[in-house]
Amino acid sequence: EVQLVQSGAEVKKPGESLQISCQASGYSFTAYWVGWVRQMPGKGLEWMGIVFPADSDTRYTPSFRGQVTISADKSISTAYLHLSSLEASDTAIYYCARGRHFYDPLWDYWGQGTLVTVSS
Amino acid sequence: QSVLTQPPSASGTPGQRVTISCSGSTSNIGSHDVNWYQQLPGTAPKVVIYDNNQRPSGVPDRFSGFKSGTSASLAISGLQSEDEADYYCVTWDDSLNGPVVFGGGTKLTVL
Repeated sequence: EVQLVQSGAEVKKPGESLQISCQASGYSFTAYWVGWVRQMPGKGLEWMGIVFPADSDTRYTPSFRGQVTISADKSISTAYLHLSSLEASDTAIYYCARGRHFYDPLWDYWGQGTLVTVSS
Repeated sequence: QSVLTQPPSASGTPGQRVTISCSGSTSNIGSHDVNWYQQLPGTAPKVVIYDNNQRPSGVPDRFSGFKSGTSASLAISGLQSEDEADYYCVTWDDSLNGPVVFGGGTKLTVL
């Protein structure tokens, strides 16, 4: 059974950093891309970027480039989303999702989402 | 402001047919396939239509998709209460907006 299991909810203060993990199982981790999607409270979906675990090829949406870091460790079938210098506006649910191609926004399995709250 | 434009809301009664539109441009919908996601309250999105009009296994044939020019649409026939959700269109974009762009989402209410 394909599963993407994300790390738990986090509460952070402004200026802090955070890394969310997405552990994959049930398929060949290096054969698929893993992307990240942000959903701010009461808002729509935003594609942040994507990584190919086999060679760590990474692509970002321009608005997120330089603001976040996406990576993967194929030895433990886990992808990561690193957020630094957190602001209140980073409060959101972050989802990871599996895709076959970086250019095709067809993601067939999703993580459960990680709620990040940034508050002083 | 989303690159792809969807109506913020739609509604219908059980059994009705509802259509949700998604308008874009030549750099996105006009050049690439469109996928549609359903997001039930408190859950992760789930694909209901891919490549404009293809249904993944397990998605009822009540769901259908259509694309023409720079617009796409999702139709749900025989509306059921379980269809009440947010729906998002998404595609690739060749411009600086990209590479992946979502519609703003449409909240479907089953009356």
